Amino acid sequence: ELKVEQNPLFLSMQEGKNYTIYCNYSTTSDRLYWYRQDPGKSLESLFVLLSNGAVKQEGRLMASLDTKARLSTLHITAAVHDLSATYFCAVFQGGGSNYKLTFGKGTLLTVNP
Amino acid sequence: KAGVTQTPRYLIKTRGQQVTLSCSPISGHRSVSWYQQTPGQGLQFLFEYFSETQRNKGNFPGRFSGRQFSNSRSEMNVSTLELGDSALYLCASSPHPSGVDTQYFGPGTRLTVL
Repeated sequence: ELKVEQNPLFLSMQEGKNYTIYCNYSTTSDRLYWYRQDPGKSLESLFVLLSNGAVKQEGRLMASLDTKARLSTLHITAAVHDLSATYFCAVFQGGGSNYKLTFGKGTLLTVNP
Repeated sequence: KAGVTQTPRYLIKTRGQQVTLSCSPISGHRSVSWYQQTPGQGLQFLFEYFSETQRNKGNFPGRFSGRQFSNSRSEMNVSTLELGDSALYLCASSPHPSGVDTQYFGPGTRLTVL
């Protein structure tokens, strides 16, 4: 059974600092997603990573995927308060109409002034 | 373009009742996926519909069912509600199936079962 572990689960950081959220998964996959969720709100898709070595950047966020290490990272550069949210990774396993999408438990990020 | 809409936004039901939730995808999107979010279990995939056909189903009992109409609108039905079905139900749409594209999520329906 695919297990997806995010760490840390809670992250409090100061504005202007850098940090990385990790997403480890237990079985082979070459497709991974990152989402953001603000309190009481729905999910927003951030990145879709479709192959080993994929790197995507949007603003202060950069995501990468290492399928051999079964690891994805979400790097935050020079954090600002607006980035405070819960971040989820989700791992896609299988293909066609026989697939599973398993989410991590989420990382609650709080950026303090 | 209008975003994904879900109705109703909030719902209170009692155990044993059934409920139907609705999701209207972004115009032109033919894939609709449903997710359940609870504090205990987190986010879990329920099922995906594409062109009126269920493409995949997560690990949920048969009480959870869905359908998709020719205009791509989708409904999810939960029968014989249990307390544990209290959750935020999210739907997401995308142009193509199986998650290659970015998914766009609706605001969710918060279901409370008493």
